[in-house]
Amino acid sequence: DTGVSQDPRHKITKRGQNVTFRCDPISEHNRLYWYRQTLGQGPEFLTYFQNEAQLEKSRLLSDRFSAERPKGSFSTLEIQRTEQGDSAMYLCASSPRGVNTEAFFGQGTRLTVV
Amino acid sequence: QKEVEQNSGPLSVPEGAIASLNCTYSDRGSQSFFWYRQYSGKSPELIMSIYSNGDKEDGRFTAQLNKASQYVSLLIRDSQPSDSATYLCAPRAFKAAGNKLTFGGGTRVLVKP
Repeated sequence: DTGVSQDPRHKITKRGQNVTFRCDPISEHNRLYWYRQTLGQGPEFLTYFQNEAQLEKSRLLSDRFSAERPKGSFSTLEIQRTEQGDSAMYLCASSPRGVNTEAFFGQGTRLTVV
Repeated sequence: QKEVEQNSGPLSVPEGAIASLNCTYSDRGSQSFFWYRQYSGKSPELIMSIYSNGDKEDGRFTAQLNKASQYVSLLIRDSQPSDSATYLCAPRAFKAAGNKLTFGGGTRVLVKP
């Protein structure tokens, strides 16, 4: 198992464009998380999936953000009409079922909106 | 009050010394506690997990948990320059709607040779 995989690693986009990121979790991990991190801050929670169900979504997340996990395996995060404030590292993590289980992060996707 | 509080640092320690990092959290429903290490420009890497009150040792790292005080700490013994990084504390509460990890802002550690 190669761990959590994110694609692309870097994305530069113009303001107003839509972008989509992909996350492939560790196989058989049914839980998947998206976080956003800006310089000097800790990761900020965006949304959480258990299998294909989106169970939790941050109230801070605007309607321009949407995430899916259609078959309970990989997930996509889409940002519509990007703004400069969306520039950040987008992190995906996965963990297996169970109470005391560990979550592992992918390498992240660094988004720059110009 | 922030959900998870950490001293932002930098915490400067000489090589070979012990680095002591602290974290307090507000959610009494937190059941699992994790420490991640993050190098500049990289993603967080899990280094310790602790679920019960007391100490847990793994190599040069020791995590300490006190649920009554809502406090978790990380000790790094025999600090090395390669330990220079930001350390993130992340409690996790299990609820019907989800079980996200909530991160503190991190403590930056600088180990000086």
